[in-house]
Amino acid sequence: GQSLEQPSEVTAVEGAIVQINCTYQTSGFYGLSWYQQHDGGAPTFLSYNALDGLEETGRFSSFLSRSDSYGYLLLQELQMKDSASYFCAATDSWGKLQFGAGTQVVVTP
Amino acid sequence: GAVVSQHPSRVICKSGTSVKIECRSLDFQATTMFWYRQFPKQSLMLMATSNEGSKATYEQGVEKDKFLINHASLTLSTLTVTSAHPEDSSFYICSAAPRDRLPNYGYTFGSGTRLTVV
Repeated sequence: GQSLEQPSEVTAVEGAIVQINCTYQTSGFYGLSWYQQHDGGAPTFLSYNALDGLEETGRFSSFLSRSDSYGYLLLQELQMKDSASYFCAATDSWGKLQFGAGTQVVVTP
Repeated sequence: GAVVSQHPSRVICKSGTSVKIECRSLDFQATTMFWYRQFPKQSLMLMATSNEGSKATYEQGVEKDKFLINHASLTLSTLTVTSAHPEDSSFYICSAAPRDRLPNYGYTFGSGTRLTVV
């Protein structure tokens, strides 16, 4: 199985940069994904890292270090609509996702 | 592309009754679908992997006789909560993805079903 740890909450102002860290303990780790979920909604896919390094997708970037069992999601130019929960999720070779507990991002004016 | 539809979005049922939740892949074939449960302010917990044409694979601690999964076609998986009790009240979500989108483009989730057992 896998366990993932991420901070429970982060608060930042509009326009700021937020980094959400995720550490994992794994068996059969294949890659790290990030999902966004607004209250009452379905999770939506943001990013995926299988190899070490940075993946950039617009205002969002994700990083993975397999040797450190660590990754992060970087949210730049924060907007009010970015207020949501963000989950890191480890993928195994079967394609199954194990989610972290989630980080509530609160964006203030 | 990769649209997943889930119905119903909300259901209230009496204790002891059964509830069926449907998950459909609308524009792709899904040999595998996943079912999750999420309690308020908590993470998504994988319940089972639904495999087309074969038995579902349940995660440890999930009662297979209580949460019946049927994946009879390449576009439809159903989760039936049998003899529901108030503690089964939760948000149930399915996910799937076309094979050629994995893993770089992630899974698409259904909109979820909020089940309330009274």
